[in-house]
Amino acid sequence: LAKTTQPISMDSYEGQEVNITCSHNNIATNDYITWYQQFPSQGPRFIIQGYKTKVTNEVASLFIPADRKSSTLSLPRVSLSDTAVYYCLVGDGTGGFKTIFGAGTRLFVKA
Amino acid sequence: GAVVSQHPSRVICKSGTSVKIECRSLDFQATTMFWYRQFPKKSLMLMATSNEGSKATYEQGVEKDKFLINHASLTLSTLTVTSAHPEDSSFYICSAMEGGMADTQYFGPGTRLTVL
Repeated sequence: LAKTTQPISMDSYEGQEVNITCSHNNIATNDYITWYQQFPSQGPRFIIQGYKTKVTNEVASLFIPADRKSSTLSLPRVSLSDTAVYYCLVGDGTGGFKTIFGAGTRLFVKA
Repeated sequence: GAVVSQHPSRVICKSGTSVKIECRSLDFQATTMFWYRQFPKKSLMLMATSNEGSKATYEQGVEKDKFLINHASLTLSTLTVTSAHPEDSSFYICSAMEGGMADTQYFGPGTRLTVL
């Protein structure tokens, strides 16, 4: 299973772009990269998923370099409500898929 | 789409009693469901993986006789905490996956268990 490493915490201000990088040096060929957001006392919420290059949806972008050993979640123009813990996970969704959560990144957005 | 519900959202019970938590995929069929527990300010810890119609696979250190998992249908999995003790107090979260390549896990809202 690919282990992930993220910064423990990050601070930002409203309106700024926030980039959170995750390292996954032993990612396997079939592994996809998925990011989740979690608020206190709630289940994680899916943000974005990708395999390579760049993926964009209505809330975030995901940048994955060619070697796929890392990925960067980009949140444009954060607001106070984006204060949460962000997790990156890798896995392939086939039989035997298992998710091991890392410590996550605690993002704190200030006014 | 891709909604997962959990019931109850919170439960308080006396030590020694058993508690059942339900996890349902509301708008898709979940071939695989996962159960996690989370302590305050900690990350999620995988407890077990359950596939519909087969026995759950438990992570190392998780007692299968204490945490009974039943994945009876493609939309329902239950976790029963048997003979609960105060140290079992935690936030329990389930997730469901539809199956196939690159599938995303969709998480339930969690169940707060407090054992007195």
